[in-house]
Amino acid sequence: DTAVSQTPKYLVTQMGNDKSIKCEQNLGHDTMYWYKQDSKKFLKIMFSYNNKELIINETVPNRFSPKSPDKAHLNLHINSLELGDSAVYFCASSHLTSAHLQYFGPGTRLTVL
Amino acid sequence: AQSVTQLGSHVSVSEGALVLLRCNYSSSVPPYLFWYVQYPNQGLQLLLKYTSAATLVKGINGFEAEFKKSETSFHLTKPSAHMSDAAEYFCAVTQGSNFGNEKLTFGTGTRLTIIP
Repeated sequence: DTAVSQTPKYLVTQMGNDKSIKCEQNLGHDTMYWYKQDSKKFLKIMFSYNNKELIINETVPNRFSPKSPDKAHLNLHINSLELGDSAVYFCASSHLTSAHLQYFGPGTRLTVL
Repeated sequence: AQSVTQLGSHVSVSEGALVLLRCNYSSSVPPYLFWYVQYPNQGLQLLLKYTSAATLVKGINGFEAEFKKSETSFHLTKPSAHMSDAAEYFCAVTQGSNFGNEKLTFGTGTRLTIIP
């Protein structure tokens, strides 16, 4: 009965590879987010989607491409991985009308070697 | 623009002592404020939130926070620390526009260590 789930939990890969992280929520929310937490624990929003439409797109390299097949899923695809992409990526979800109240997934720790 | 500043990246308290984690905010509009807790290797869990109702907000696990507009503060307290409180704590702010474009802006976190 996990509310917001992410797969994989850990991802270790080589520079230059392409990888995806998946996120699913079963809360019936219509808005989903991706956050990046760097090695200093600083959390910053990357993207948000509402009903499969992009509504927040922070200054993120275009190697990062979110994809929302439906409002319960928001996947993050990263091309040409770089060392600086190593971080923990968190997915979150909310209702549009309560977008300040976000529920977070457990995170995916990405390590780029 | 909005931001939060958490004073003290590391705080250590003895078990049973008062916990006080500081957060000051900056916002051009009335803010919504939050405290999240992150246990090791886990995601963020909402501890409590202030959304312009009562200024003293009670959360889970015995934590509470008080919104003080005059001091632009939203400090987190717990009267008696427990070993299980050891975690990273994040203060966050947003505008609460209900237009779906809220950005939760997080502080840099405070690591709380409990001394037995």
